[in-house]
Amino acid sequence: SQTIHQWPATLVQPVGSPLSLECTVEGTSNPNLYWYRQAAGRGLQLLFYSVGIGQISSEVPQNLSASRPQDRQFILSSKKLLLSDSGFYLCAWKPSGSNTDTQYFGPGTRLTVL
Amino acid sequence: AQSVTQLDSQVPVFEEAPVELRCNYSSSVSVYLFWYVQYPNQGLQLLLKYLSGSTLVKGINGFEAEFNKSQTSFHLRKPSVHISDTAEYFCAVSLRGSNYKLTFGKGTLLTVNP
Repeated sequence: SQTIHQWPATLVQPVGSPLSLECTVEGTSNPNLYWYRQAAGRGLQLLFYSVGIGQISSEVPQNLSASRPQDRQFILSSKKLLLSDSGFYLCAWKPSGSNTDTQYFGPGTRLTVL
Repeated sequence: AQSVTQLDSQVPVFEEAPVELRCNYSSSVSVYLFWYVQYPNQGLQLLLKYLSGSTLVKGINGFEAEFNKSQTSFHLRKPSVHISDTAEYFCAVSLRGSNYKLTFGKGTLLTVNP
């Protein structure tokens, strides 16, 4: 069966420090991958998605970037964190070629920028 | 572009009472519709989805939702809630034939009281 992992689970970082959040998926090949941010009172916002290795689409301009160095690995990064980057970051995957559009979510990373 | 409106940010109910969480969407093309549930500090779990066919969709944990095309709604219902149903519920849409992006509503916090 397929599983999705995110780490770390929680992270506290000072303003101006770098960031690297990792997401990996097991048990599937060539998934679509997504990064979402959930900020208080704002629901879920799609940040990036990827349909293949090295293919990244950005949904909103921001202080963050994403990379997909391997088929089942999706990384969210920042060179210098801002206070506004605080939130709950969720990674999700979806089978490629599926018409059902069901996304499966990881457990999330709680990021606090101080 | 599509959008999702969840009309209630918070819904408090007593245990064993019925509940309806409202969701309306806006789209110029056909959509897929989803309800996800998020328990505290966890990722999202799919409750149910409407792809086509019968407008009444049954999901996990006794939840169901009805797609109403004329009213562009996809309200979530449960005839009798439990304490364990306390969670945040998200409605989402995806355009058919799109690159599989989900647009989420801002969520409804369901609190079930004894």
